Amino acid sequence: GIQVEQSPPDLILQEGANSTLRCNFSDSVNNLQWFHQNPWGQLINLFYIPSGTKQNGRLSATTVATERYSLLYISSSQTTDSGVYFCAVSQNKLIFGTGTLLAVQP
Amino acid sequence: NAGVTQTPKFQVLKTGQSMTLQCAQDMNHNSMYWYRQDPGMGLRLIYYSASEGTTDKGEVPNGYNVSRLNKREFSLRLESAAPSQTSVYFCASSRPRGLNTDTQYFGPGTRLTVL
Repeated sequence: GIQVEQSPPDLILQEGANSTLRCNFSDSVNNLQWFHQNPWGQLINLFYIPSGTKQNGRLSATTVATERYSLLYISSSQTTDSGVYFCAVSQNKLIFGTGTLLAVQP
Repeated sequence: NAGVTQTPKFQVLKTGQSMTLQCAQDMNHNSMYWYRQDPGMGLRLIYYSASEGTTDKGEVPNGYNVSRLNKREFSLRLESAAPSQTSVYFCASSRPRGLNTDTQYFGPGTRLTVL
């Protein structure tokens, strides 16, 4: 089956710093989503981005489908950005990566 | 508009006991999903229902059954709970895009412990 790898596995930032999270996948996909799981366990969809670039406030994402990777950019990080960021891809069912654990310190 | 709701939020079972996890969505979505999340891992799909009246196995279906009761509700049943089923269970829903999944919206999760 399709493999999804995320890097880095964990990341510690000072408030205000920028970061880039990466998602590599092993086969062509027709769906890629980024999720944020907050420290209370709630999963929030950030982007539906099978290709191209999208921006939402301080977050943006780029997927290069032909090269099988996606990047999530977080600018001017805030403590509320802390949590786990998951990439999930599908050909017909979503397969999740193991996530990047982000801690933003004040 | 409550989105996706799950009950209960927490549950402790003894090995061999049975229980049903309930999920409901009020977004008129056709597709619904059950996932489990184990420590340090991403979510793994247990079962899904592409539309009312259909259900299909996901990545880890053994030990579980599901019922798509109507368009709004999708339940997950553990017939004989085992310690390996200790996990956090998430329900999700989405509109389908043909064979693909659209943006998925998740419930708050059920934390299940099997002793």
